[in-house]
Amino acid sequence: QSVLTQPPSVSGAPGQRVTISCTGSSSNIGAGYDVHWYQQLPGTAPKLLIYGNSNRPSGVPDRFSGSKSGTSASLAISGLQAEDEADYYCQSYDSSLSGCVFGSGTKVTVL
Amino acid sequence: EVQLVESGGGLVQPGGSLRLSCAASGFTFSSYWMSWVRQAPGKGLEWVANIKQDGSEKKSVDSVKGRFSISRDNAKNSVYLQMNSLRAEDTAVYYCTRDRIARYGMDVWGQGTTVTVSS
Repeated sequence: QSVLTQPPSVSGAPGQRVTISCTGSSSNIGAGYDVHWYQQLPGTAPKLLIYGNSNRPSGVPDRFSGSKSGTSASLAISGLQAEDEADYYCQSYDSSLSGCVFGSGTKVTVL
Repeated sequence: EVQLVESGGGLVQPGGSLRLSCAASGFTFSSYWMSWVRQAPGKGLEWVANIKQDGSEKKSVDSVKGRFSISRDNAKNSVYLQMNSLRAEDTAVYYCTRDRIARYGMDVWGQGTTVTVSS
């Protein structure tokens, strides 16, 4: 059971916009800790996609955006492309556990 | 090129030990926290442990406390994960990451090394 809850899957047609939620609690996201997002393409290592809730590392397309409010965060992918098919994970810090926590992961399927 | 390369994975019997290594290059290793993250077959990511720049602070997930130990050698630009009393549930791909913690996340990942615990 992951500390951060994500939907198991989301899907959309090419060009559409999809969002992935990441729900935490008062000991992690709600405590003010930043949320980061990772993309894991099939058979590869995860890659940092969004850091500090809403910032994109160099090279990440601006189709990807992040936000945070209260005890939750969201990742949005606009103009969905076939290459976006991957697993996505949110990550934060939890003060009760005194360590990093990951979300349960969401598989994005492009129809 | 900024790079992390893990090694040391393999097949080990339950109760056995294994030491994973991660060699860093392309950045000032001694300036960064480092973490190990694992992924069991078909499962999600799980943070395992991290270590401060000078090794003075170490944290780990409860499920490995007392069994796994993280360490680093800044002169060799390397971080290690000593795994003892291994269990079947430790079977996973283990990734080494550059952990910028707090505001910046884990911005560099290795390719991973596979640990299989089975008799």
